[in-house]
Amino acid sequence: SAVISQKPSRDICQRGTSLTIQCQVDSQVTMMFWYRQQPGQSLTLIATANQGSEATYESGFVIDKFPISRPNLTFSTLTVSNMSPEDSSIYLCSTITDGRNTEAFFGQGTRLTVV
Amino acid sequence: GDSVTQMEGPVTLSEEACLTINCTYTATGYPSLFWYVQYPGEGLQLLLKATKADDKGSNKGFEATYRKETTSFHLEKGSVQVSDSAVYFCALRNSGGYQKVTFGTGTKLQVIP
Repeated sequence: SAVISQKPSRDICQRGTSLTIQCQVDSQVTMMFWYRQQPGQSLTLIATANQGSEATYESGFVIDKFPISRPNLTFSTLTVSNMSPEDSSIYLCSTITDGRNTEAFFGQGTRLTVV
Repeated sequence: GDSVTQMEGPVTLSEEACLTINCTYTATGYPSLFWYVQYPGEGLQLLLKATKADDKGSNKGFEATYRKETTSFHLEKGSVQVSDSAVYFCALRNSGGYQKVTFGTGTKLQVIP
């Protein structure tokens, strides 16, 4: 299994500013994922972050808006840049442990409100 | 690509009622199937999983059986409690090379006393 510590748990930010969300995993993992969950919606994958390579972004998400770092096998950050009220969401990081058929593990989420 | 379809919510039940939340999937290969639960203000927790056809996952009185012939993984509980009020997500993880998890839209369950 894997335990993910995510912070901050919530924040209220001014439009035009940026927020960096951090996730720390208690074990080394190959893949980490960042999701967005808009109010009342399901999870939408933003990008996949592998250590030592550029993050892979899903359709509709770009690096300039959501830069990601993955400096080692236990840590990743997601930055939400130049925020607008439409960025108000819950952001979740996730990982899967190596091996087939294992489930995904999630951080507690960051509830972001942009005013 | 992979997809998960689950029944629309919200679902409102009285305490001790029976629960079924339908979930069907489309995937190549042999995916693993999961139910996650999200309690208010919290992240996602794994509720149960099944990794091959005819497997039954179970936890906290909830059950779901991996039905390959109908590509379904319906969540059931015989007697719900107020504390079961949450959003439930059906999900799959494919055994292929790109092992991201695909989620359904979520079903909100409200159990009233």
